Amino acid sequence: QLQLQESGPGLVKPSETLSLTCTVSGGSVSSGYYYWAWIRQPPGKGLEWIGFISYSGNTFYNRSLKSRVTVSLDTSKNQFSLKLSSVTAADTAVYYCASLLHSGHFDYWGHGTLVTVSS
Amino acid sequence: QSALTQPASVSGSPGQSITISCTGSNSDVGSYNLVSWYQHLPGKAPKLMIYQDNKRPSAVSDRFSGSKSGNTASLTISGLQAEDEADYYCWSYAGSNYYVFGTGTKVTVL
Repeated sequence: QLQLQESGPGLVKPSETLSLTCTVSGGSVSSGYYYWAWIRQPPGKGLEWIGFISYSGNTFYNRSLKSRVTVSLDTSKNQFSLKLSSVTAADTAVYYCASLLHSGHFDYWGHGTLVTVSS
Repeated sequence: QSALTQPASVSGSPGQSITISCTGSNSDVGSYNLVSWYQHLPGKAPKLMIYQDNKRPSAVSDRFSGSKSGNTASLTISGLQAEDEADYYCWSYAGSNYYVFGTGTKVTVL
């Protein structure tokens, strides 16, 4: 079964770019079976999907974040990544990576990583 | 695309049944059989409870069931137990590789 693990800085300054990586084990990011997704949860709020990427590099983003988001794939390291530019305090959240099946549901999630935006 | 509407909270006594609704539109919930439900405990990764409206993963208790009528999907928990206390979110396909989460429901076991 898949295992996903998020990694990256826990503190980012306002106006800078948040960068996170998700390392996948037990399967390949080159598999056409999945999309690879990022989701976040701000403190005290609900889940919000950020975007996802296919094995071939096609990307799909939440319209509310699209202008600031880039999701990319590194098949040599079996990882996928998130970049969120021009962050503000509103981007403080627990960020999750997950595998999204083509049938439209998530089956495996990382444990999440808290990213705080503060000077 | 707005978030799907869920009640903020639902509560019940042990052994009772509760139902959480997830209301969307004919652009998402009403158009595709692709609603899934997730249980989210604090500090944990969300867990898939129901997929494709009413299918249950083999590892999930049969006390959890999903249904849909028109633009509203529902998650029913039968025989409510203390361990069911968590936040629950629905998630639906909305066409053109776009998706939407529900607003989330806090389930409290009295």
